[in-house]
Amino acid sequence: KNEVEQSPQNLTAQEGEFITINCSYSVGISALHWLQQHPGGGIVSLFMLSSGKKKHGRLIATINIQEKHSSLHITASHPRDSAVYICAVRDSGGSNYKLTFGKGTLLTVNP
Amino acid sequence: NAGVTQTPKFQVLKTGQSMTLQCAQDMNHNSMYWYRQDPGMGLRLIYYSASEGTTDKGEVPNGYNVSRLNKREFSLRLESAAPSQTSVYFCASRSRGGFTDTQYFGPGTRLTVL
Repeated sequence: KNEVEQSPQNLTAQEGEFITINCSYSVGISALHWLQQHPGGGIVSLFMLSSGKKKHGRLIATINIQEKHSSLHITASHPRDSAVYICAVRDSGGSNYKLTFGKGTLLTVNP
Repeated sequence: NAGVTQTPKFQVLKTGQSMTLQCAQDMNHNSMYWYRQDPGMGLRLIYYSASEGTTDKGEVPNGYNVSRLNKREFSLRLESAAPSQTSVYFCASRSRGGFTDTQYFGPGTRLTVL
């Protein structure tokens, strides 16, 4: 079973700061997902990565397959970015239908 | 396009009562999932359905049953609720195509078992 670790667990930043959230996993994967959970509870998919880097607006996600590590960066952070960010991986072996989730990183951006 | 809908949003049960959580998606997705989310833990898979007519156990299936009624609907049943099943339950469906692979989540059901 893949073990997914996220760091930090909690992160507080000032508006405008550059944010980095890390995710590491223990077993080879076919894909890694980043999700955002709003304070109200809703969960939204941000990225799916299998290699390299993806960018969407102020969000950038990178993955290093050899090191089993991914990072989510937020540039010019804003209070509306305050949320829980969740990393999830899909194993390369076994069932292609299942994701293993990290515990999440709680980000608070203060004005 | 409503996406993934779940009912109810909130529910309080007494130990031993039964209930069914409903989930529906209007995006024509084949795969659907039920997760539970508990404080300090990641989302955990209860059951999934890779396609209409199939269901499989996930990580924490004990105490639950599911029905994939048709391509749109995937319900989760608690036959005899226990306090350990107090949780937030999320239904999701999966879209795959080309280089995309996205899970769409419902708004969640907050269940308390007394």
